[in-house]
Amino acid sequence: DQQVKQNSPSLSVQEGRISILNCDYTNSMFDYFLWYKKYPAEGPTFLISISSIKDKNEDGRFTVFLNKSAKHLSLHIVPSQPGDSAVYFCAASEIGGYQKVTFGTGTKLQVIP
Amino acid sequence: DTAVSQTPKYLVTQMGNDKSIKCEQNLGHDTMYWYKQDSKKFLKIMFSYNNKELIINETVPNRFSPKSPDKAHLNLHINSLELGDSAVYFCASSPLAGVTYNEQFFGPGTRLTVL
Repeated sequence: DQQVKQNSPSLSVQEGRISILNCDYTNSMFDYFLWYKKYPAEGPTFLISISSIKDKNEDGRFTVFLNKSAKHLSLHIVPSQPGDSAVYFCAASEIGGYQKVTFGTGTKLQVIP
Repeated sequence: DTAVSQTPKYLVTQMGNDKSIKCEQNLGHDTMYWYKQDSKKFLKIMFSYNNKELIINETVPNRFSPKSPDKAHLNLHINSLELGDSAVYFCASSPLAGVTYNEQFFGPGTRLTVL
């Protein structure tokens, strides 16, 4: 039972344009959401997060939007750069879950120069 | 000055063997984790230790046994390796969870191949 879903396995975007990566979840107990970025042969690195009490969090070129009623979050990257090419994992943590994080299967982003 | 390191990076072994993967973090974190990323790229938590105490133990075969000699180290020992154990194993660490969630820092991964 996959509680965090990233339905797009891959995405290609032109440099300078916006990249939008989507994520859906099913567990209503999730209260904290994160995005991790992963380059080949490396471990995931934390990118940005959002608490369930917010609907938007921004950090430079990266913005995460949360729609609790739809159980949906998205990551916007503006403007996209070739160095952003990586696999992006959506993740969620449950209330009282002692930092047990459930990951999605990832979306591979390719930014074309 | 690697934050979270794992050894070995690659491990190729025969079915039935016993192997260990070591993990060390120099971030001063209290909590460490083991994740498994299978062939479908699904990253799933296996274990979590907080200050050498097991706090998360997902449904993992008994052949997998984590050991934390101190809070900077969390090793994973696997007995009687099976073909299905082939995966990339990631170690991670985070500061102690309080009321605020803390991001996790991942190691580079260990690619285990069971032949």
